[in-house]
Amino acid sequence: QKEVEQNSGPLSVPEGAIASLNCTYSDRGSQSFFWYRQYSGKSPELIMSIYSNGDKEDGRFTAQLNKASQYVSLLIRDSQPSDSATYLCAVLYQTGANNLFFGTGTRLTVIP
Amino acid sequence: DAGVIQSPRHEVTEMGQEVTLRCKPISGHDYLFWYRQTMMRGLELLIYFNNNVPIDDSGMPEDRFSAKMPNASFSTLKIQPSEPRDSAVYFCASSRGGWETQYFGPGTRLLVL
Repeated sequence: QKEVEQNSGPLSVPEGAIASLNCTYSDRGSQSFFWYRQYSGKSPELIMSIYSNGDKEDGRFTAQLNKASQYVSLLIRDSQPSDSATYLCAVLYQTGANNLFFGTGTRLTVIP
Repeated sequence: DAGVIQSPRHEVTEMGQEVTLRCKPISGHDYLFWYRQTMMRGLELLIYFNNNVPIDDSGMPEDRFSAKMPNASFSTLKIQPSEPRDSAVYFCASSRGGWETQYFGPGTRLLVL
């Protein structure tokens, strides 16, 4: 069974701080990694994807990947109350049949 | 573009009844995905199609679940007979070219009594 683990939180940070969200995965065969944001009662939306080791920045968001440690993270700089949501880590396993596995999500609250 | 359209948005049914969920993907998208989300298990991929052909249905929990995509603009997910443990939010998503940038529909919230 492929596993994607996230701390369920809740994670609370003050407005303007850096929020750090973490995810570990079990299978070294995975090659593609995604972060989705899901507001309460809404559908997930893709915010970042990362495929190679290192950092990838997009505005206030930075995704970090370390394949040796099987670890992927998402940093949100200058956190805003509008960032309050559940963040889902997803890992695409591409050995044999492709399949996308999600973690159960980390709930982030940004306190004004 | 209207985005991914799902119907119904809410469904309440009794155990043993047949349930049909519907999805219209974004025009021009060649991949369609069906997901189920529960508090306990999170978001799970059930099945996905490429160019209307089912590629992997290993996530479909039981033979009670079936999915079809008769054309590029329509897909159904059917549960028969339904059971209380099927209660969840079912999402349909579509994308162009593969797994990257999937656009999710608003979901169907299913309650089986």
